[in-house]
Amino acid sequence: EAGVAQSPRYKIIEKRQSVAFWCNPISGHATLYWYQQILGQGPKLLIQFQNNGVVDDSQLPKDRFSAERLKGVDSTLKIQPAKLEDSAVYLCASSLGGAGERDEQFFGPGTRLTVL
Amino acid sequence: GESVGLHLPTLSVQEGDNSIINCAYSNSASDYFIWYKQESGKGPQFIIDIRSNMDKRQGQRVTVLLNKTVKHLSLQIAATQPGDSAVYFCAETGAWGSARQLTFGSGTQLTVLP
Repeated sequence: EAGVAQSPRYKIIEKRQSVAFWCNPISGHATLYWYQQILGQGPKLLIQFQNNGVVDDSQLPKDRFSAERLKGVDSTLKIQPAKLEDSAVYLCASSLGGAGERDEQFFGPGTRLTVL
Repeated sequence: GESVGLHLPTLSVQEGDNSIINCAYSNSASDYFIWYKQESGKGPQFIIDIRSNMDKRQGQRVTVLLNKTVKHLSLQIAATQPGDSAVYFCAETGAWGSARQLTFGSGTQLTVLP
């Protein structure tokens, strides 16, 4: 079974530039998550989608971050403009989203963003 | 605010010894706990989970213990192997079931010495 795919794996940009990350979840997974993982910390949830709808984006800095999952499959996360403190690994995860089940989240390898 | 924290940022053990990684949580409403393993350059990988109605759960070479009285969680790895070297995170959520939002701790770096 193919896992969660993310691209690019690495990205280096200058502050105030824009950047976009792409995620392809496991086939059939209804729920998709974007996490930010700053070096030395655990992942922090940015946004959660159920199919193509947003379940929770309360921790997404909406003045500069945006995310979409238009067809309920792939998702993109964008930062515009980037700040130095956005340097982190951006992880995408997906889960089946079934009610009353364990609903294990499967993580992609992440995109390491460096903002100079 | 609510948080999940770990007691030690690093842990070194000899190959073949048992490892114990600890985690404290503050949310009394936490219902479900998960341990993840994250190797360098990879995303977190599920190891074992436990619901709040249990105090112990065993997997292959791993055991999770939950003490709700003191809000403490531990991961025990038996006969630690070099491949166990990684960062280990505990995570919690307030609800079992779908649409689960996880809160992660800051992680413990486990190093297995030859």
